[in-house]
Amino acid sequence: NAGVTQTPKFRVLKTGQSMTLLCAQDMNHEYMYWYRQDPGMGLRLIHYSVGEGTTAKGEVPDGYNVSRLKKQNFLLGLESAAPSQTSVYFCASSYWGKADGYTFGSGTRLTVV
Amino acid sequence: SQELEQSPQSLIVQEGKNLTINCTSSKTLYGLYWYKQKYGEGLIFLMMLQKGGEEKSHEKITAKLDEKKQQSSLHITASQPSHAGIYLCGADTQGAQKLVFGQGTRLTINP
Repeated sequence: NAGVTQTPKFRVLKTGQSMTLLCAQDMNHEYMYWYRQDPGMGLRLIHYSVGEGTTAKGEVPDGYNVSRLKKQNFLLGLESAAPSQTSVYFCASSYWGKADGYTFGSGTRLTVV
Repeated sequence: SQELEQSPQSLIVQEGKNLTINCTSSKTLYGLYWYKQKYGEGLIFLMMLQKGGEEKSHEKITAKLDEKKQQSSLHITASQPSHAGIYLCGADTQGAQKLVFGQGTRLTINP
């Protein structure tokens, strides 16, 4: 039972390059989320999805795009990376109305130079 | 501005001592989650509180949600080195099934 899997785990980008982070869950969860974690800031919600084919903006969506073409996958894209996007990115998933917590991936550490 | 305020942001205690971490919101909390994160790793789910006045315990960690559902506390009894890490509170303040988080509390346990 893999839970939530994020790929890659580490990545270094040059300013202006693009990349896609992949999140995959095998729990048939309806909801999926992308967060970023910066020192002293906790986790901040970037985008989320309430089901296949849907996406919505979170607290800090600028500079990111997302897609949820399949229920089990949630992709986070950076079209033109900036040093301010250096962060640790976490994906999470949950059932609607199920009160046993959200499941988080192990994170992707991204550095933009 | 942060919807959830955690305090303290950093805490250093001697092994064996008790400690408390607080999480406060200006809005009603529909669900309050506590997570632990070891340095450089993912989040580990600890507890979830929904009802006003609710209290849950797991091993030496107890979490409470106040009657007004706007503040939660996490209490660790007889702290151990294994308790060290970052504690995060997350909450659904809109009933919309998306969590917002506090800034986190970095806990260090000195032997």
